[in-house]
Amino acid sequence: DAGVTQSPTHLIKTRGQHVTLRCSPISGHKSVSWYQQVLGQGPQFIFQYYEKEERGRGNFPDRFSARQFPNYSSELNVNALLLGDSALYLCASSLGPSLRGEQFFGPGTRLTVL
Amino acid sequence: GESVGLHLPTLSVQEGDNSIINCAYSNSASDYFIWYKQESGKGPQFIIDIRSNMDKRQGQRVTVLLNKTVKHLSLQIAATQPGDSAVYFCAENIGGRGSQGNLIFGKGTKLSVKP
Repeated sequence: DAGVTQSPTHLIKTRGQHVTLRCSPISGHKSVSWYQQVLGQGPQFIFQYYEKEERGRGNFPDRFSARQFPNYSSELNVNALLLGDSALYLCASSLGPSLRGEQFFGPGTRLTVL
Repeated sequence: GESVGLHLPTLSVQEGDNSIINCAYSNSASDYFIWYKQESGKGPQFIIDIRSNMDKRQGQRVTVLLNKTVKHLSLQIAATQPGDSAVYFCAENIGGRGSQGNLIFGKGTKLSVKP
């Protein structure tokens, strides 16, 4: 059975551009969470979506937005990219709405902003 | 600053020895904690969790200890193997309202296992 998949695996953008990252959860999972992981740091929570509704939001600017589709896949959008947005973006899925319990992470999308 | 931190950024152990990875948290309202393992090029992988109404929980070769008095969390790995080499993160969550909100990760400890 496929795990969480993310696309693309790597991405290079320039400052001011926007980017869309995609995530497909494990089949049957209705919750998707997004995290930003800067090199040498732990992941930082950005958003959680459950049943297409936003359930939680971390301390990120409005340039970051996300949505969840009827098939429970999700997109993370970042506008007006800054150099500091360079990071590994992780998606995690789980069965229910809680962030507690086991979340399954994808391999991430490595974003480089030049 | 970070709500969850680690005492040791790197830890090197001999294969077969036990490993202890430590984590300090600062938010006394946190009532749920998780340990994750992240191998190079992969996303974090759930290891074990513990609620604040417990002080110890055991899994397969792993034990998590929680000391709420000093806000300290540790992960013990028995008979450490080369496959345990990874970065380990602790994370905390504050309860209430169906456990929404933030899952706060620490900076991580790199565990290296020497054969």
